[in-house]
Formats: sequence, C-alpha cells, structure tokens
Amino acid sequence: SQKIEQNSEALNIQEGKTATLTCNYTNYSPAYLQWYRQDPGRGPVFLLLIRENEKEKRKERLKVTFDTTLKQSLFHITASQPADSATYLCALAVGQAGTALIFGKGTTLSVSS
Amino acid sequence: GAVVSQHPSRVICKSGTSVKIECRSLDFQATTMFWYRQFPKQSLMLMATSNEGSKATYEQGVEKDKFLINHASLTLSTLTVTSAHPEDSSFYICSASVSGGPKTQYFGPGTRLLVL
Repeated sequence: SQKIEQNSEALNIQEGKTATLTCNYTNYSPAYLQWYRQDPGRGPVFLLLIRENEKEKRKERLKVTFDTTLKQSLFHITASQPADSATYLCALAVGQAGTALIFGKGTTLSVSS
Repeated sequence: GAVVSQHPSRVICKSGTSVKIECRSLDFQATTMFWYRQFPKQSLMLMATSNEGSKATYEQGVEKDKFLINHASLTLSTLTVTSAHPEDSSFYICSASVSGGPKTQYFGPGTRLLVL
C-alpha cells in the first residue's frame, strides 16, 4: 500500500542546533517533493520544492535532500530559533502532471531558548 | 504574491443546514484549486480538485453530492457542505496552483467548521 511517513510526531531541540526531519514514502514515484510549514489553526505555507533529479536544495537556513533510491527526504533547519517552532509537512506530488499533493501527518518542532 | 484567502474563517451551524466556504486567489489566476480537510493532529486529506469551468474531481470516499464545489472563475472556488452533520466538523483548507511550472500550491488560512 502507499504510505508517506514522517519519522516522529514531535521533535524538541535547543536554540542554535540543527533540526533534522525525515520523510519516507513507499509505493509512490513522485515527480517532486515539497515541504510546508503549518502553524496552529492556519493553512500550510510553502517552503521548498525539490525535483526527483535533484539531490539537494537550499534556501537560507533550510536544506532539503531527496533520495529516490531510499525513498526518503530530509529537511534540515540550521541555527534553529524559537520562531521555527511549528509543524512541518512533507508532501509528494503525484497523479497526472503531478498536480495532486499527498501529505504526511507532519512533525511538530519545538525549539527552546 | 500568491495570496489565497478564505471566507469565513470560522463558522458554527446547526445540523442539517448548508454552509458555503469561499476560496479566492487574490493576486494571481489559479487554473486549479484544491480542497482539503484536516482533523486534529492528522494530515491534510485531499477532498477534490477543481479546474475553472469544469466539474470537480473528487477523491475516493468523498461524496460529491454532499460537498458541492463550484469553480466559476480563475480566482474563485466555493465549497458547499450540504445538510451538515456534526461529523462534518473539521478544518477545511483550500489551495490554488499557478498554471505552468511545478505545481506548488498556495494555501488559504483555512475555515473552521463546527456543526452542532
């Protein structure tokens, strides 16, 4: 069966450390993968997109890797800050023309000062 | 850019009534809009995909007669929950994608529906 899993429901780290979130999937062949941030009671906000032929993507303190052999993406936040505390969602683009997004349940990151 | 709004942000209604939720792309034209539902501590579940001027495509298990979707223009899609019941209480979120290029979706702020 098709599954998309984010390694843990919650991750607690100290300010300044690097947060690493994992997204694993089975029985999908996504054209690309996206990461979103969601704050409580709000809609998701797009962060990064990485295509199947890209290994790594960076944006400021964020870095995403995509290993289609392992069927895994890693999402890193370096020099984390309390303001980074939120739920981070992994989403696979599937379906015709990659228009549909399948979301993981998310990992809630808490950064303490 | 790429701002999506939803209205209302919160609605409480009685069981059996219908509720309409609007989703607008404010500064771009969205060829495709999506409707999701999210229960507490759960992932977003895609309900349907709508393209302007055509019928929506519903995901398996989503009743099209209960969740009516209208995508009348490139900037507006509406979701009507007909004859709402308490189990329809949820967080409904729309998103819109820009035509051409990778299909990044821009999400609205969501609508919290509570059916009493």
